[in-house]
Amino acid sequence: DAGVIQSPRHEVTEMGQEVTLRCKPISGHNSLFWYRQTMMRGLELLIYFNNNVPIDDSGMPEDRFSAKMPNASFSTLKIQPSEPRDSAVYFCASSFGGGGNTIYFGEGSWLTVV
Amino acid sequence: KQEVTQIPAALSVPEGENLVLNCSFTDSAIYNLQWFRQDPGKGLTSLLLIQSSQREQTSGRLNASLDKSSGRSTLYIAASQPGDSATYLCAVSPNQAGTALIFGKGTTLSVSS
Repeated sequence: DAGVIQSPRHEVTEMGQEVTLRCKPISGHNSLFWYRQTMMRGLELLIYFNNNVPIDDSGMPEDRFSAKMPNASFSTLKIQPSEPRDSAVYFCASSFGGGGNTIYFGEGSWLTVV
Repeated sequence: KQEVTQIPAALSVPEGENLVLNCSFTDSAIYNLQWFRQDPGKGLTSLLLIQSSQREQTSGRLNASLDKSSGRSTLYIAASQPGDSATYLCAVSPNQAGTALIFGKGTTLSVSS
């Protein structure tokens, strides 16, 4: 299997622009997670989907962030408008059966907002 | 609210040393605990998963232990090698199998040759 695939790997954008991050989970996995990693705060869960349904979005910082999972093989995380404090590495991860099972991470999307 | 702490934040050792990384958590009602490795510029790779009913898990030179009642886990690395240099994170799964992991901030290990 190709693993969890994220795109883009790197993005530099100007403040105020819309950013869309994409994720393809491992085939057969029914749980998908979006995490954000910064030096100061470490890894933070943004949102968790199970069977394409958002189960926990309490980590989504504010209304500027939105996430969708239209089908089992694709998810997006959108930031609109972007701000410099959104600069971070955004990870997508997937598993079968939730966070209680082995979870597989993508390589991350490195976002810089200037 | 569950909190996961890893001390030290960074550790440097010479090649060949046996070492222990520590992880503590505030709520002992966990489903399981996982140890991950993260190389610079990469995602996380799961190393070991210990169920709450287990005391330890082993994989090669790695051994992870879990003391749920005291809220502690350790990752033991035997005969360290320069290739072990990475950041090691622990994460706990809350008491429901379907909810997501809570991570510590990690220990960055440097093994010198």
